[in-house]
Amino acid sequence: AQSVTQLDSQVPVFEEAPVELRCNYSSSVSVYLFWYVQYPNQGLQLLLKYLSGSTLVKGINGFEAEFNKSQTSFHLRKPSVHISDTAEYFCAVTPPAGGGNKLTFGTGTQLKVEL
Amino acid sequence: DAGVIQSPRHEVTEMGQEVTLRCKPISGHDYLFWYRQTMMRGLELLIYFNNNVPIDDSGMPEDRFSAKMPNASFSTLKIQPSEPRDSAVYFCASSLKGLVVYEQYFGPGTRLTVT
Repeated sequence: AQSVTQLDSQVPVFEEAPVELRCNYSSSVSVYLFWYVQYPNQGLQLLLKYLSGSTLVKGINGFEAEFNKSQTSFHLRKPSVHISDTAEYFCAVTPPAGGGNKLTFGTGTQLKVEL
Repeated sequence: DAGVIQSPRHEVTEMGQEVTLRCKPISGHDYLFWYRQTMMRGLELLIYFNNNVPIDDSGMPEDRFSAKMPNASFSTLKIQPSEPRDSAVYFCASSLKGLVVYEQYFGPGTRLTVT
């Protein structure tokens, strides 16, 4: 079984400042890793994913994440945030095989960008 | 494509009433997932289907909940009788395998309020 821990439930940040949202996972097998974003009153959208290869992955809206196998982490970063990045961010994992890649989600991190 | 379609977007009902939530997945997707999102428990997977067949319903809270997928383009989640603790946002997602992994696409959700 897999589990995902998002250590910060809320992260306030000023516009144009950098941000890092933390995600740690636990699994007895290798996993694929995802970050999803949920804007207010909307469903979840895929931001980026790590499957294999380069440990630094780039996603939409200027976000990137780095996979660290030794620390079992997949932290999300953006060098300069915008007001429009205010949303809830979910980290998720799935084992490579079976179940249509059923996702296990973290509890989410609310990013609030302030002027 | 129109994306995953859910109806209704909002539902307010009284305790004891039957509630039916509907989902139309993206055409061609072979997996369909039902999730529930609450402040207390976050995002929980309730049940998922593969090619219209239920694969794992271990997340369904109790017998009051049932889900069906009579064909590839329609699924329902029914709660009978409803209780105030069922108040939540219910998401439907569908997925299709890309080069390596299935990617889930979420609908906008149905916000259920049981009074």
